[in-house]
Amino acid sequence: SQKIEQNSEALNIQEGKTATLTCNYTNYSPAYLQWYRQDPGRGPVFLLLIRENEKEKRKERLKVTFDTTLKQSLFHITASQPADSATYLCALTAGSGNTGKLIFGQGTTLQVKP
Amino acid sequence: GAVVSQHPSRVICKSGTSVKIECRSLDFQATTMFWYRQFPKKSLMLMATSNEGSKATYEQGVEKDKFLINHASLTLSTLTVTSAHPEDSSFYICSAYIVAKNIQYFGAGTRLSVL
Repeated sequence: SQKIEQNSEALNIQEGKTATLTCNYTNYSPAYLQWYRQDPGRGPVFLLLIRENEKEKRKERLKVTFDTTLKQSLFHITASQPADSATYLCALTAGSGNTGKLIFGQGTTLQVKP
Repeated sequence: GAVVSQHPSRVICKSGTSVKIECRSLDFQATTMFWYRQFPKKSLMLMATSNEGSKATYEQGVEKDKFLINHASLTLSTLTVTSAHPEDSSFYICSAYIVAKNIQYFGAGTRLSVL
């Protein structure tokens, strides 16, 4: 069956370090993958989208990689700040066609300590 | 841009009453909106796809008569939880889909508590 896995354990890092979050998937061939940030009691906020033919995407301190052979995406936050503390969700396109439907991972909570 | 407003943010109701949640795209039109449910420390679970001018498409296991969806305009979708019971208590989130970008923009969510 189709599966998306993110590390369910919280990631604790020191301010200024690079945070790296992992998203693995099986039995999918997604056209694109997205990363969202979710704060407690709030809806997710879109961060980055990467297509299957792209290896890497950057936006300010964020970087996403997409390895369709390994079926894995890595999400990096460089020079992390306490304000980056949140839960980060990866999401893959579901099914065929451009329906916009996404399947979400369970999220990884990042805690950046000052 | 791409702001989605969801209202109310929190609602407490008695068992047996119906609750309507609104999802509006404020600065863009969306033919497709999605409704999700999220349990504590869990991921988003897609409930249904709301299509403007047509019937919603429900995911397996979601009761369409329980969760009524109406997408009457290109900027508004509503979810009505009918005859709510305590087990319906949850965090409900909507999103509006921009086809050209392949991106969903989310509302802030609605915390429903059924007593």
